[in-house]
Amino acid sequence: GQQLNQSPQSMFIQEGEDVSMNCTSSSIFNTWLWYKQDPGEGPVLLIALYKAGELTSNGRLTAQFGITRKDSFLNISASIPSDVGIYFCAGPVYSGSARQLTFGSGTQLTVLP
Amino acid sequence: NAGVMQNPRHLVRRRGQEARLRCSPMKGHSHVYWYRQLPEEGLKFMVYLQKENIIDESGMPKERFSAEFPKEGPSILRIQQVVRGDSAAYFCASSPLSDSEAFFGQGTRLTVV
Repeated sequence: GQQLNQSPQSMFIQEGEDVSMNCTSSSIFNTWLWYKQDPGEGPVLLIALYKAGELTSNGRLTAQFGITRKDSFLNISASIPSDVGIYFCAGPVYSGSARQLTFGSGTQLTVLP
Repeated sequence: NAGVMQNPRHLVRRRGQEARLRCSPMKGHSHVYWYRQLPEEGLKFMVYLQKENIIDESGMPKERFSAEFPKEGPSILRIQQVVRGDSAAYFCASSPLSDSEAFFGQGTRLTVV
């Protein structure tokens, strides 16, 4: 099936640094979603993107929907310890009338003090 | 507006027993997704349901697993004759429209002993 390729798989950064992660697909997406998952919790929606070229911010988070509609990136500025977690990109995949929200494999972020 | 509610949060079953996982979507949401997550892994799509209909069950094992979303009441993911390999976190998400963002519950952690 269609897959989202998310990179990097893991990141170790110093507190205060900026972070960038991205997702690519061989297929066109109409929607890109970015989620964060804390240990033992469910994923929490951070940003939703619906239009090619769209750039959306949520506090220190900024995400962009690529012009080709095959990629998206998420930036975190001035990282803090509570940014630790797994970040997932997601998008709807259609097969006929069936639809599933498919997820990338995640980026594990560690923020060092 | 309460979020997506899943219960139980933790479930322990002996091999061969049945596991029933419940998901109450957010108010006004008629689309429900179930995902499975193994430790240190990403979210794997299982099934997508609308009220009283299974839209896409391509990610669900053909045997022992079933899902429903009745007209009244929560969505149920049912696993019959559980085996150790069924141990995982099971997450439910809901959305108001087929193309909109999905919101997750806190998950049910199933342990098969």
